[in-house]
Amino acid sequence: AAGVIQSPRHLIKEKRETATLKCYPIPRHDTVYWYQQGPGQDPQFLISFYEKMQSDKGSIPDRFSAQQFSDYHSELNMSSLELGDSALYFCASSLVVSQETQYFGPGTRLLVL
Amino acid sequence: GENVEQHPSTLSVQEGDSAVIKCTYSDSASNYFPWYKQELGKGPQLIIDIRSNVGEKKDQRIAVTLNKTAKHFSLHITETQPEDSAVYFCAASPIGTDKLIFGTGTRLQVFP
Repeated sequence: AAGVIQSPRHLIKEKRETATLKCYPIPRHDTVYWYQQGPGQDPQFLISFYEKMQSDKGSIPDRFSAQQFSDYHSELNMSSLELGDSALYFCASSLVVSQETQYFGPGTRLLVL
Repeated sequence: GENVEQHPSTLSVQEGDSAVIKCTYSDSASNYFPWYKQELGKGPQLIIDIRSNVGEKKDQRIAVTLNKTAKHFSLHITETQPEDSAVYFCAASPIGTDKLIFGTGTRLQVFP
């Protein structure tokens, strides 16, 4: 079965640079969620989109923005990167927003030097 | 806000034994509780979930129980196998939100 696709899988950036992470949900899924997982920590919710509109917001820094496009893929844009942004970034998708099963992608490992 | 506590943080069992992981949530309005298995370098994989209108759910060697009054839920794995070794996360979803609030994870090791 098709799963959530994330690209790139690994990314190395310098401080103050910009990064863009991409997420392609499972076909027919209309809701996308972004999570950040620091080393040895649990995933922390950042933001979610349903039908191209932001549906919920968590602890996402102002330096980050995200959007969902007409084909339901989503992009997380991260500017003015800091060392503390080094983490795994997961995208998840579901069929209907709000308490439906979230299926996670393989993640993007971001390293900020 | 919602907080989820998870215990133990590490768990070592012999192959064939059972493993139990427990979680407690703070927001009584939460009504959806999934469990995820995460292997090294991979994304969380849903293994079972339960909603607040159900007290227990089972899928082969895996079962989850929910006690709404006490606000805790547990994962039970029977007949453990070495391939069950991973980090397990419980989560809760407060009603009216999209987010999953995760517990701090349990590293399960199953020794042959």
